[in-house]
Amino acid sequence: AQSVTQLGSHVSVSEGALVLLRCNYSSSVPPYLFWYVQYPNQGLQLLLKYTSAATLVKGINGFEAEFKKSETSFHLTKPSAHMSDAAEYFCAVSASDNAGGTSYGKLTFGQGTILTVHP
Amino acid sequence: NAGVTQTPKFQVLKTGQSMTLQCAQDMNHEYMSWYRQDPGMGLRLIHYSVGAGITDQGEVPNGYNVSRSTTEDFPLRLLSAAPSQTSVYFCASSFGTGRHEQYFGPGTRLTVT
Repeated sequence: AQSVTQLGSHVSVSEGALVLLRCNYSSSVPPYLFWYVQYPNQGLQLLLKYTSAATLVKGINGFEAEFKKSETSFHLTKPSAHMSDAAEYFCAVSASDNAGGTSYGKLTFGQGTILTVHP
Repeated sequence: NAGVTQTPKFQVLKTGQSMTLQCAQDMNHEYMSWYRQDPGMGLRLIHYSVGAGITDQGEVPNGYNVSRSTTEDFPLRLLSAAPSQTSVYFCASSFGTGRHEQYFGPGTRLTVT
């Protein structure tokens, strides 16, 4: 079984400030982890993914995330927020390819975090 | 490539009516899935398919049917619509499971009255 918890349904930052969106996961097998972004009235777009290579993953639009197995976390950060970063962000977990069992083929999402950026 | 396309974009149904949400992809992806998005609940997997002729249930399959007769198409059928099925529905596809990115369609906003 796998699950994702995103801490904070709403995060508000000032333009130029650090963005930190928190994600903790639970998985009985080695996970693959993803961050997706959703702009209003649109589908989801991949920001970055962790697939068991480097633990620090860089994505699009200046975002990055660090996989910490000991903390079961995959927090998303950006050094300096921009107004265009305002959106909803989703963390998701998928079981590794050889996991088999009930997790095979399933992507489980967190509840989402709405990021607001103030001028 | 058009990517993942969904029709219709909006739909209003009365309780008890049936309908099919269409999803198509032109990327030759084996894996396709349907999610529903509700406020504060993220996206929840309804059904998925790992290839033509193969489908399986996700987290919230009740009230929905799927079939996968071709690689390109993965329609979602609502058998007898209920107000609890009011939601935004997303179709997604990927090269495979696990490590592969899922590509999402633009969504269908469904209201059941």
